Amino acid sequence: KNQVEQSPQSLIILEGKNCTLQCNYTVSPFSNLRWYKQDTGRGPVSLTIMTFSENTKSNGRYTATLDADTKQSSLHITASQLSDSASYICVVTVGAGKSTFGDGTTLTVKP
Amino acid sequence: EAQVTQNPRYLITVTGKKLTVTCSQNMNHEYMSWYRQDPGLGLRQIYYSMNVEVTDKGDVPEGYKVSRKEKRNFPLILESPSPNQTSLYFCASKLNRGGAHEQYFGPGTRLTVT
Repeated sequence: KNQVEQSPQSLIILEGKNCTLQCNYTVSPFSNLRWYKQDTGRGPVSLTIMTFSENTKSNGRYTATLDADTKQSSLHITASQLSDSASYICVVTVGAGKSTFGDGTTLTVKP
Repeated sequence: EAQVTQNPRYLITVTGKKLTVTCSQNMNHEYMSWYRQDPGLGLRQIYYSMNVEVTDKGDVPEGYKVSRKEKRNFPLILESPSPNQTSLYFCASKLNRGGAHEQYFGPGTRLTVT
């Protein structure tokens, strides 16, 4: 069964600190991996999209990495802000176009 | 502005009363899909459409219907809603199913079935 596992389930950090969220997947054949940010009660918003040949992609303070050999991805957030408090979702798409969503990591940034 | 719109945003209804949630996109995307999101379960795909008149079941299609008569619209129909369909629903679209294309989500529809 294709799966996408995210860790930790939840995380609390202080404003200004960095953090890293993890995503491990077993889906095959891999096509691309996306990270989304979802504010409570709102639709997910895309942060990064990476294909097999890309191992890092940045979007402002967000940097995603991909290791296709170990089937792992991480999302690093630098100098966190209160507005980074949200759920972060990892989504892996296979070659036929079907996507599998992780359950997300809930990040809380405290002042 | 590129966007996906959904209506209504909030809906409270009773068991068995047919309802339709509309979804519209202005980006000329071929691929559209519906998801539901429940606490602890993440986003699960209900139905998707790869183009006009082409629809297929996702992971949790039971109790739902869809239609795609026009490229921009993809309504979700609950013929006989039940309390277990109480959820937060999202419509999404992207250029096509394959490839690393940006997927845009609507603002969500919170449905309560009593």
